[in-house]
Order: sequence, then C-alpha cells, then structure tokens
Amino acid sequence: GQQLNQSPQSMFIQEGEDVSMNCTSSSIFNTWLWYKQDPGEGPVLLIALYKAGELTSNGRLTAQFGITRKDSFLNISASIPSDVGIYFCAGNNFGNEKLTFGTGTRLTIIP
Amino acid sequence: SAVISQKPSRDICQRGTSLTIQCQVDSQVTMMFWYRQQPGQSLTLIATANQGSEATYESGFVIDKFPISRPNLTFSTLTVSNMSPEDSSIYLCSVHPGGGQPQHFGDGTRLSIL
Repeated sequence: GQQLNQSPQSMFIQEGEDVSMNCTSSSIFNTWLWYKQDPGEGPVLLIALYKAGELTSNGRLTAQFGITRKDSFLNISASIPSDVGIYFCAGNNFGNEKLTFGTGTRLTIIP
Repeated sequence: SAVISQKPSRDICQRGTSLTIQCQVDSQVTMMFWYRQQPGQSLTLIATANQGSEATYESGFVIDKFPISRPNLTFSTLTVSNMSPEDSSIYLCSVHPGGGQPQHFGDGTRLSIL
C-alpha cells in the first residue's frame, strides 16, 4: 500500500540541539498527524493538523501542514533525552479515517 | 482520550497455531482498526473492525488469515491464524473516537513465532 516518505530515516544529535524532520506524499491529505513511539509501546499522538498552511505547537514541538497538502514538517527545539524514539507522520482524508503512515524517523541523542 | 487495553502484551507461539488478541476500550468509539508493525518497520493497516458486520480488509490481508470480531462499540478481537515465523510482528489496535478526535493506539501485542 501507499506509504509516506519521511526524512531523515535516522538522526543522531546532542542534547540541546534542535531537530527537523519532514514527511512527503505523492497524493494530498486533509489531515496530518505526528506520532511518537517509544520501545515497547504504541504510537502516541503529538500533534494533529487539519488545515493547509496550519502551524501548530505542543510545548517544544512545532508542526506544519504543507500548503500543497502533500507534506508536513515537525520541529523539536532544545532536545532532551526523553525525545529519543521513533517519530511517525500519518495522513488521512475526510470521511475516510484510515491512516497511511510514514516510514519513520529514529531519533537518538548522543551523550 | 480513550484508554485502550490490549491482551496479551506479548506471546511466543508455535508454528501452525493461532492466537487471538483482544482490544478493550473504556468508552464507546466510532471506529476500531488493527495494524501490523513488522520488525523495524512502520505501521500497516490490516483492517477496519466494523461493529456487527464483517471487517473491511486492506489489500494483502484476508479474513481466513486474520479473522476479526467486533461485537460492540468497546471491544474487538484479531486472530492470527496458522502462524508462521513471517507473522512475527507487533499487532496494534487503534480507535477513532469520533467528534473530531484523531486515532489513538493501544500498546500493541508483540508476537514471536518459533
């Protein structure tokens, strides 16, 4: 099935650094979601975006819904150790609640 | 948000056997879904669990291999039938509560087949 392409695939950063990752699709979505998955757990919703061009923040996290509806971006400022994990984007369209997931970005913080 | 409980949290099974995974939600929800996450991979939708009717399966997934039940608005089961090592994955239940709320996930069932 269709998958969204996330980049980068993995990131190795130092604590305190800012992080940027993005998600692109060949088709448009009306909703973009960002989830984080820790080892041994299910994905946890971070941010939901419902409008093209929308910029939404959740603490140190900021996400944007691309104006073309084919991409989305997630930024994390001043990273801390608990930010380690795998970040997934997901998209869906109105009236169809099935989610299409991105390939994931694995974030590792170097001591 | 809805609290989702999955059982079992993990299991190790023998080839050729079947395992039923349960998903219980603490409130009535509009839609329930089952996903598979193969080792090191992203999530792939298996099917939408429809209350009172047959599940709707995605391409590549069939009812004989992954029978699903949803007897009410708070409970669903997924059975992985005639298991082989290729079925070793995390199986995740998610719910769409409705009312504009996005999907939430359970913690998954980690399945290993020997």
